[in-house]
Amino acid sequence: DQQVKQNSPSLSVQEGRISILNCDYTNSMFDYFLWYKKYPAEGPTFLISISSIKDKNEDGRFTVFLNKSAKHLSLHIVPSQPGDSAVYFCAASGTRGGSNYKLTFGKGTLLTVNP
Amino acid sequence: EPEVTQTPSHQVTQMGQEVILRCVPISNHLYFYWYRQILGQKVEFLVSFYNNEISEKSEIFDDQFSVERPDGSNFTLKIRSTKLEDSAMYFCASLHSGANVLTFGAGSRLTVL
Repeated sequence: DQQVKQNSPSLSVQEGRISILNCDYTNSMFDYFLWYKKYPAEGPTFLISISSIKDKNEDGRFTVFLNKSAKHLSLHIVPSQPGDSAVYFCAASGTRGGSNYKLTFGKGTLLTVNP
Repeated sequence: EPEVTQTPSHQVTQMGQEVILRCVPISNHLYFYWYRQILGQKVEFLVSFYNNEISEKSEIFDDQFSVERPDGSNFTLKIRSTKLEDSAMYFCASLHSGANVLTFGAGSRLTVL
């Protein structure tokens, strides 16, 4: 049961260009969305998040867009840098903090930024 | 910056053996998690733990699995009798009260032969 879907297993972009990573979800109870980045031999590290009451959140080169009606979110990285090469996981949650809080992850997209 | 630490980084075991994976969560966090990632697949929720008891567990977390916080700092995942399909990266995570961002450890790779 894939409640969070990342349909592109990989993406390759040139340094300096925009990277767009996409994520779809099926559970309408999800109201908080996160992107994590993962390098080999490391755990996922938090990148950026967005609440369902917003449609955009920006942090430096990273912007997350949320389209609730389409149950779709995307992560934009601009300009892309070779150090951004990693696996990017989309995650979602339906509760805010507390003992019932958990994240549901997508399969991840491997981003390769070529110099 | 505070981090979640996990040991061992890699464990190889024979099928049927017991395995204990250890985690030291961030000290002021109250909620603890185990996730796993089978090679090439998504990161899957196993179990959440709060106030010395399991809050929620997934279908994967059957009777072969158990968690414990034995001494107020360590958080352990025990697999009683490992199967080949238990081979995966196991990630521990912790969460501060009132927060929404899980902090993950670097993972423990379990290989069951």
